[in-house]
Amino acid sequence: GAGVSQSPRYKVAKRGQDVALRCDPISGHVSLFWYQQALGQGPEFLTYFQNEAQLDKSGLPSDRFFAERPEGSVSTLKIQRTQQEDSAVYLCASSHRNTGGGADTQYFGPGTRLTVL
Amino acid sequence: AQRVTQPEKLLSVFKGAPVELKCNYSYSGSPELFWYVQYSRQRLQLLLRHISRESIKGFTADLNKGETSFHLKKPFAQEEDSAMYYCALSGGTSYGKLTFGQGTILTVHP
Repeated sequence: GAGVSQSPRYKVAKRGQDVALRCDPISGHVSLFWYQQALGQGPEFLTYFQNEAQLDKSGLPSDRFFAERPEGSVSTLKIQRTQQEDSAVYLCASSHRNTGGGADTQYFGPGTRLTVL
Repeated sequence: AQRVTQPEKLLSVFKGAPVELKCNYSYSGSPELFWYVQYSRQRLQLLLRHISRESIKGFTADLNKGETSFHLKKPFAQEEDSAMYYCALSGGTSYGKLTFGQGTILTVHP
């Protein structure tokens, strides 16, 4: 079946522009995660959704970052007034369920590479 | 706070040689540990997790709580094992958010 998809795959923005990154999780997956991966680094957690509820946004680096998942499926990560330090690959991952007792396998999308000039 | 350390950014071996990718973690509770792999032009994917105690593509990893390590091993490396490998930890939440190491690029030479 189809995996996690993300769009756009590449985005170039001028400093100060707003951007929106989309994630289509695997159908039926309850959990959705966003991670940020800077060049040469491992992915870092940004935020987590269980269905439409954003249960953890502790990793969002500033109030310029906003994420939503209004119908419990597609999610959008929005970055306002982009800065050069926002340049990174943004990864979305989904998993089948919230086990309540541990981590379910996360399936990753291909990522969106954001470059802020 | 939880942390994952992969001390080697680059690791090169020859085909048929044993390989060990090191991973150390810092976490006060009982963590779940994972190895994720990213092959060239592919997305990040789960290789194995410690609770499964299984061997995937000839790789194994044992959780050593005393040394807080979760090293990935394979006795005979193959060229197709060349990839970026990330060690990751999940702990402290019920939903499994991951803390990743910086990754190790493994190159297996013919």
